Amino acid sequence: QKEVEQNSGPLSVPEGAIASLNCTYSDRGSQSFFWYRQYSGKSPELIMSIYSNGDKEDGRFTAQLNKASQYVSLLIRDSQPSDSATYLCAVNGPSNTGKLIFGQGTTLQVKP
Amino acid sequence: DGGITQSPKYLFRKEGQNVTLSCEQNLNHDAMYWYRQDPGQGLRLIYYSQIVNDFQKGDIAEGYSVSREKKESFPLTVTSAQKNPTAFYLCASSIDRQGGNYGYTFGSGTRLTVV
Repeated sequence: QKEVEQNSGPLSVPEGAIASLNCTYSDRGSQSFFWYRQYSGKSPELIMSIYSNGDKEDGRFTAQLNKASQYVSLLIRDSQPSDSATYLCAVNGPSNTGKLIFGQGTTLQVKP
Repeated sequence: DGGITQSPKYLFRKEGQNVTLSCEQNLNHDAMYWYRQDPGQGLRLIYYSQIVNDFQKGDIAEGYSVSREKKESFPLTVTSAQKNPTAFYLCASSIDRQGGNYGYTFGSGTRLTVV
């Protein structure tokens, strides 16, 4: 089992819809969770971080964390064509190593 | 403005040649990392350093070498022992040595191609 798993997609949604991106992780000791957006040919950009169970909202983005189910998700409301990108889920690795473990990413396509 | 600078953006390597990718940060971050990304795949950790003059191997360190002589700099050398080096290389840094608390800031990447 991979340490951080994401559906590679592509996930296709119409403009204005809600896009839902999901991620599961294997290490129950993980404490920090991140979502990165990566446009084609560019480097990842941090868009959300979440550390405790529940929802965290920032503009059109909402991160959701459920540690009991080892599940983290990203909701994008009012999706725009400019949201079309690959979204990487990252989870902190073993303590004292400073490593983040990345999923392989979900490609989102927002169609006008 | 603070950030991470990777150079060059594009690099072409001949068979049997060693090449060095530069990574410099002025964020005063303790920890620095090198990742490799292949098309359609996630990020794989090559090496990381939590403090000057110390570094650890990641998951795919074979054929690569690094140094951390200064806090600001973490160059990666791709040696001739790396048989499939064509990839997108990303350097990242984190404000804390644990890395996992605040996430990473990434550089703009170097695209390496074997010719």
